[in-house]
Amino acid sequence: DIQMTQSPSTLSASVGDRVTITCRASQSISSWLAWYQQKPGKAPNLLIYKASSLESGVPSRFSGSGSGTEFTLTISSLQPDDFATYYCQQYGIYPWTFGQGTKVEIK
Amino acid sequence: QITLQESGPTLVKPTQTLTLTCTFSGFSLSTSGVGVGWNRQPPGKALEWLAVIHWNDDTHYSPSLGGRLTITKDTSKNQVVLTLTNMDPVDTATYYCAHRKIGSGFGYWGQGTLVTVSS
Repeated sequence: DIQMTQSPSTLSASVGDRVTITCRASQSISSWLAWYQQKPGKAPNLLIYKASSLESGVPSRFSGSGSGTEFTLTISSLQPDDFATYYCQQYGIYPWTFGQGTKVEIK
Repeated sequence: QITLQESGPTLVKPTQTLTLTCTFSGFSLSTSGVGVGWNRQPPGKALEWLAVIHWNDDTHYSPSLGGRLTITKDTSKNQVVLTLTNMDPVDTATYYCAHRKIGSGFGYWGQGTLVTVSS
């Protein structure tokens, strides 16, 4: 199975900060990577697919980059609504796998 | 618009079989490129992918469940059913069904259903 490793596990930041979350795959997945945001008690929400494509309706402050084994999710200016947990997921090779999550907390 | 809703028991006993139904609207699972998958999340833990079925009956499972999973679709009823045999307390989790299009992740999710395994 492909292991997806996110870093950091927890991130403390302030409103307006630029935030970057990294996801590393144990082998190449080309660009078959998605990013999700999840708030407590809610289902995940797709932000980015195919590593860098912004899902419809998602604010443009979210962006994704990378290919192969290294990927990043960037929030250009953190907003109050962005405090949540973020997951990466590879869907290039079965079995699909999620990262362990990155919690973005208020500093 | 696309909606999905999970249904099934909230409490099952160890060794029992769990059957969850995902009833959806706003799309057809006979449309090329469409798939429905199941994911779960134990309390306080990360998401785990379980299975996916596509419009062309292409089906895949997580091997970590050791062959305990079956996913089927009923296109006429707009439903996808997941069965998980030999339930154990470690299977306690919120189970989510979700829609995807080929080339994308899961773009639409159900609200999830918490299943507790306890005697």
